[in-house]
Amino acid sequence: DADVTQTPRNRITKTGKRIMLECSQTKGHDRMYWYRQDPGLGLRLIYYSFDVKDINKGEISDGYSVSRQAQAKFSLSLESAIPNQTALYFCATSDTKSNQPQHFGDGTRLSIL
Amino acid sequence: DQQVKQNSPSLSVQEGRISILNCDYTNSMFDYFLWYKKYPAEGPTFLISISSIKDKNEDGRFTVFLNKSAKHLSLHIVPSQPGDSAVYFCAASPYNAGNMLTFGGGTRLMVKP
Repeated sequence: DADVTQTPRNRITKTGKRIMLECSQTKGHDRMYWYRQDPGLGLRLIYYSFDVKDINKGEISDGYSVSRQAQAKFSLSLESAIPNQTALYFCATSDTKSNQPQHFGDGTRLSIL
Repeated sequence: DQQVKQNSPSLSVQEGRISILNCDYTNSMFDYFLWYKKYPAEGPTFLISISSIKDKNEDGRFTVFLNKSAKHLSLHIVPSQPGDSAVYFCAASPYNAGNMLTFGGGTRLMVKP
């Protein structure tokens, strides 16, 4: 079983719709991150959370919001999707105590028509 | 402006030869550098890292070199194998391995049998 699970894996939706991408982890890590990947731009940080009550904006947070419902869950919402939010989205986790590199889920491919 | 750049979008190498992937950065505050490897339909997986107090780190067939004065790092794979064919991302952090990462755009490596 995957340590970091993202759902759905693929989603096609229309402009203006509200979308939620979910991430859950069984690694017991305290830190969680959302990135988006676009061709040639690598992965860019959208939001990150160091604990349940902690939410921080990343490089490209406009048009997105997040919720850290529990230590193991971190969801990303697009309140009103637009076509330039079509991308591959990755959730990642890391652990403050062990200082190991971030561990990624397998991604959600989102297409907005 | 991208703070971490991988100027070669793709690289093709013969099996058994050396693969050299390059990465440049502009932010002097970066203190820790990582390479991630990504296969299609999977999330990035951590490969190797180096802190700024070192200039070389080796792990089996993979070696990362850091030139702080030039703000340049490279990943050497020797010998290259067909299974190494993937997209490689360089990433940097101002703190440590488990903290926020800034990624380069990636280099697609193709190792030909």
